[in-house]
Amino acid sequence: DTAVSQTPKYLVTQMGNDKSIKCEQNLGHDTMYWYKQDSKKFLKIMFSYNNKELIINETVPNRFSPKSPDKAHLNLHINSLELGDSAVYFCASSQVSGVSGRAYNEQFFGPGTRLTVL
Amino acid sequence: GESVGLHLPTLSVQEGDNSIINCAYSNSASDYFIWYKQESGKGPQFIIDIRSNMDKRQGQRVTVLLNKTVKHLSLQIAATQPGDSAVYFCAENPNGGSQGNLIFGKGTKLSVKP
Repeated sequence: DTAVSQTPKYLVTQMGNDKSIKCEQNLGHDTMYWYKQDSKKFLKIMFSYNNKELIINETVPNRFSPKSPDKAHLNLHINSLELGDSAVYFCASSQVSGVSGRAYNEQFFGPGTRLTVL
Repeated sequence: GESVGLHLPTLSVQEGDNSIINCAYSNSASDYFIWYKQESGKGPQFIIDIRSNMDKRQGQRVTVLLNKTVKHLSLQIAATQPGDSAVYFCAENPNGGSQGNLIFGKGTKLSVKP
């Protein structure tokens, strides 16, 4: 069984389009994340979300918006796609525990979605 | 700048040798660290983690060492195998980071020669 799944695996689209990437986790975790990995393999957090709080990385353009229909899903919507949005996007989940809500448990990553904007 | 970085972007080792991948972090308040392995075309996979109240933790063929004095983290892989070829990332959970947001280092590519 796949713990964290993402669809689609590949997404090729034109500049200016709006697209969505879906993420589902079957681990029963309470927190989900979106990361962007650039061409140099650098991984950067975009959002973290649980049923209480959405934390947004301030460097993420507001064209990006996470939407969570339920605890097991966190989809990523991107409006007005730009060339610089081309990257691999990873969804992850974890069960937050420990002092002050900090997660001491590992984050489980999905297989990634390679987005290419032409 | 990024708070987590790596000394070596690439590392090539002979099969059977031990590998050491290093990582420097800048946030002295970080209290949790993880090493991830990312194979080509896949998502990062958890290898081992360590909390700041420890200086060493061992897993199967892997050992993580934490030196808080110099803010240094290392991953040691014993008897490196071809299947260990991947990009390795260290990540930290900075103090006060809510919901477990991780800051990742730039990654080290490990190549294992048969």
